Amino acid sequence: DGGITQSPKYLFRKEGQNVTLSCEQNLNHDAMYWYRQDPGQGLRLIYYSQIVNDFQKGDIAEGYSVSREKKESFPLTVTSAQKNPTAFYLCASSPPGGRYEQYFGPGTRLTVT
Amino acid sequence: SQQGEEDPQALSIQEGENATMNCSYKTSINNLQWYRQNSGRGLVHLILIRSNEREKHSGRLRVTLDTSKKSSSLLITASRAADTASYFCATDPSGTYKYIFGTGTRLKVLA
Repeated sequence: DGGITQSPKYLFRKEGQNVTLSCEQNLNHDAMYWYRQDPGQGLRLIYYSQIVNDFQKGDIAEGYSVSREKKESFPLTVTSAQKNPTAFYLCASSPPGGRYEQYFGPGTRLTVT
Repeated sequence: SQQGEEDPQALSIQEGENATMNCSYKTSINNLQWYRQNSGRGLVHLILIRSNEREKHSGRLRVTLDTSKKSSSLLITASRAADTASYFCATDPSGTYKYIFGTGTRLKVLA
């Protein structure tokens, strides 16, 4: 089955710890995206990548980092510099260049205490 | 920055009624998309309308786009309880490779 997976579904961390969220896709998509969603809110773009070894900051990149070493994978690290990391994180992929529908993973709910 | 703003923020209707939600955006776009999100889940793509199209249908969904007013509407006809979800519009502003999502409309369909 083709799709996009995120793991784990729920993640708990102590304040001050870095944490990495996994995102894998087997849709052969070049473009991948990370979004943050807060309760009752829309999605805000954290980082996006149009091709392997290249990525761009979105609207709220501060306190986050990413890598794109493989086409299938786009992990997101939430660093201790992120002031309010508790949120629902969504990964998506699409063919490159915009103008196409995005395919979303099921999301990871991160709670930092 | 939020490109899209949906209206209303919340909508409650009876099963069988039609649901209309609107999206406004700020800059010129290549296309506009509508997505659905069930509580606590990822988003599911519903329909894409290109900037040179004015109306598009898919099953019980009808989307219109007015680029002169920078607005779009999503109509769900003969709604069902299973349509209960949040609905988001997303745009890809011209000259960018990113998508910007609106704030969403929470639809509740009462059986």
